[in-house]
Amino acid sequence: DQQVKQNSPSLSVQEGRISILNCDYTNSMFDYFLWYKKYPAEGPTFLISISSIKDKNEDGRFTVFLNKSAKHLSLHIVPSQPGDSAVYFCAASATGANSKLTFGKGITLSVRP
Amino acid sequence: NAGVMQNPRHLVRRRGQEARLRCSPMKGHSHVYWYRQLPEEGLKFMVYLQKENIIDESGMPKERFSAEFPKEGPSILRIQQVVRGDSAAYFCASSPQGIPSTDTQYFGPGTRLTVL
Repeated sequence: DQQVKQNSPSLSVQEGRISILNCDYTNSMFDYFLWYKKYPAEGPTFLISISSIKDKNEDGRFTVFLNKSAKHLSLHIVPSQPGDSAVYFCAASATGANSKLTFGKGITLSVRP
Repeated sequence: NAGVMQNPRHLVRRRGQEARLRCSPMKGHSHVYWYRQLPEEGLKFMVYLQKENIIDESGMPKERFSAEFPKEGPSILRIQQVVRGDSAAYFCASSPQGIPSTDTQYFGPGTRLTVL
């Protein structure tokens, strides 16, 4: 049972435009959400996180939005840059679940120059 | 740069051999997590350890896999009698406090295990 779903396997955007990466979850106990970026043959790099008590968190070009009622979150990157081309993973954890992260399968973002 | 360190980066074993994967957490972090990534999949949780203690091993296969995080030295993920299905990327992460809902896990570069 996939508790964190990233239904679109890939996304291609033009440099300078906005990239919107979506993530859905089914476990209502999740209360902390994170986005990681991963290049081939490297480990995931933490990008941004959001607690369930918030609906938005912003850090530079990256903004994460959380819609608890819809069990949906999204990562916005604006403006997109060619260096943003990577696989993006959505992850979630739940208080009382020992901090373990549940990951989606990832979205491959390609930013065209 | 005192990031999470893993070694070896690449490991090749024949079926039936043992694989030992090492992880040194970031300085000041006492919580270590191991994840496995199969091709075309996301990362799957395996085990969560604090110094000398296994906190959660709910993601570990019941046989052949073990993990430890001794008082001194790196965390070790050990796979005995490896099979081809064990071929994957194994990632270690560390966090400072292990507090759900606030703690961020930082990942190492991974060990890519290939079983021939």
